[in-house]
Amino acid sequence: EVQLVESGGGLVQPGRSLRLSCAASGFTFDDNAMHWVRQPPGKGLEWVSGISWNSGGIGYADSVKGRFTISRDNAKNSLYLQMNGLRAEDTALYYCAKGALRAAAGGAFDIWGQGTMVTVSS
Amino acid sequence: SYELTQPPSVSVSPGQTATITCFGDKLGDKYAYWYQQKPGQSPVLVIYQNTERPSGIPERFSGSNSGNTATLAISGTQAMDEADYYCQAWDSSTGVFGGGTKLTVL
Repeated sequence: EVQLVESGGGLVQPGRSLRLSCAASGFTFDDNAMHWVRQPPGKGLEWVSGISWNSGGIGYADSVKGRFTISRDNAKNSLYLQMNGLRAEDTALYYCAKGALRAAAGGAFDIWGQGTMVTVSS
Repeated sequence: SYELTQPPSVSVSPGQTATITCFGDKLGDKYAYWYQQKPGQSPVLVIYQNTERPSGIPERFSGSNSGNTATLAISGTQAMDEADYYCQAWDSSTGVFGGGTKLTVL
C-alpha cells in the first residue's frame, strides 16, 4: 500500500523553527518528485515547496522563500521541511504529497499524506 | 503572480450533472488538475492532465480545458460526491491552486 506519513508538527512561537518529516512506503521513493502543500484551518490549499527525485531541482512558494528549506533522503525514503522564522500566517495543516513526475515542477500530486498540524502562536 | 479562480459554491440535485469551473489567464495552454477533499480527509486526485482519470476514480468524473477555463464535470452526481473541489496548475515552476468550490448535493 502506498503511504505517506507526516510528523513533526506542533505549537511553536513566532520566529522559532520546526522541522517536518514525511515517511514514504509502498512505492519507489527515488522515482518521483515530492512536495509540501499546506491548508490553513477552514481555508484552501497552498503549494509550499517541491523537490525533484534526485534533489537537483527545488522550488518554493514566494510566501516561504528564504525561510523554508525542503530536502529528501532517498536512502531513508523520507522528505523533510525545515521551517525557520515561523509566522502566525504559517499556521496550517501541512501535507506531504507524491509528485507524478521526477521534476520538482509539473505533474499532479497523486498521493497525499494525512497531514501534520503546525500552529504558530505566542 | 498567477491566479486560478473558482466559484465558492455549486449546488446540484442528485442524478444531475455538476459543473465546476476554474478560470486562469491562458489556462488552456497549461495542464489542469482537479482534487476532491471531503471533510476531515486529505485531498484526492480526480483528474490529471486536463481530462485523465486516475485508476479508481468513477467514469462520471470528467474534465476539459480550453482558452481561459478548465471545467470539472460530474455526471449522475451522487451524495458521496459532496465535497470541496480544487483546481491546480503550474506557472513558472510554481504550483497554483484555485480557492476551492464547495459542491452541495441536494
